[in-house]
Amino acid sequence: GNSVTQMEGPVTLSEEAFLTINCTYTATGYPSLFWYVQYPGEGLQLLLKATKADDKGSNKGFEATYRKETTSFHLEKGSVQVSDSAVYFCALTGNTPLVFGKGTRLSVIA
Amino acid sequence: DSGVTQTPKHLITATGQRVTLRCSPRSGDLSVYWYQQSLDQGLQFLIQYYNGEERAKGNILERFSAQQFPDLHSELNLSSLELGDSALYFCASSVDASSYNSPLHFGNGTRLTVT
Repeated sequence: GNSVTQMEGPVTLSEEAFLTINCTYTATGYPSLFWYVQYPGEGLQLLLKATKADDKGSNKGFEATYRKETTSFHLEKGSVQVSDSAVYFCALTGNTPLVFGKGTRLSVIA
Repeated sequence: DSGVTQTPKHLITATGQRVTLRCSPRSGDLSVYWYQQSLDQGLQFLIQYYNGEERAKGNILERFSAQQFPDLHSELNLSSLELGDSALYFCASSVDASSYNSPLHFGNGTRLTVT
């Protein structure tokens, strides 16, 4: 079945550091890929998505590129802020409801 | 604010009991999803309803059931509760039934503690 594997956290970075959170997937067919973010005490929110190979999703300075050859969708941001501290979930969907990775907690310190 | 409302925010109950979690979807959304979030299992899809009908089923236990009412709100019923059912239960909604590419809008969850 479909599955998502993302790097274990927590990840702790200083403000303005470069962020990468790795995500790889296993799926049949051609899934759509997503990153969701969960701030403390809140539900998940869509951060960005890509629906086909080589698409780049971007939002709020975050980017991820759908790489079919490596079955990956790594999340990157050039300069993180304290306000980016949250849990980040990689997810995919094909013909089934969203399947999520286990989440990566990011803490950004000033 | 996602527009999805979940009640109650917190629920503490004993083993063997039965509880009902309630969800009102975002205005205009016809699909409702239930997810369970626990530390060891992560986010697990339980069940989806679209316009009152069950559309997809995931890792939902037989002790759990759900329904979606004509006004589109949904309830998740958990019975014969066990300690392992302690988790955060999320409801999410979307406009689509079978195109899962539409974004999901999540509520803030109900934290269930079984003692």
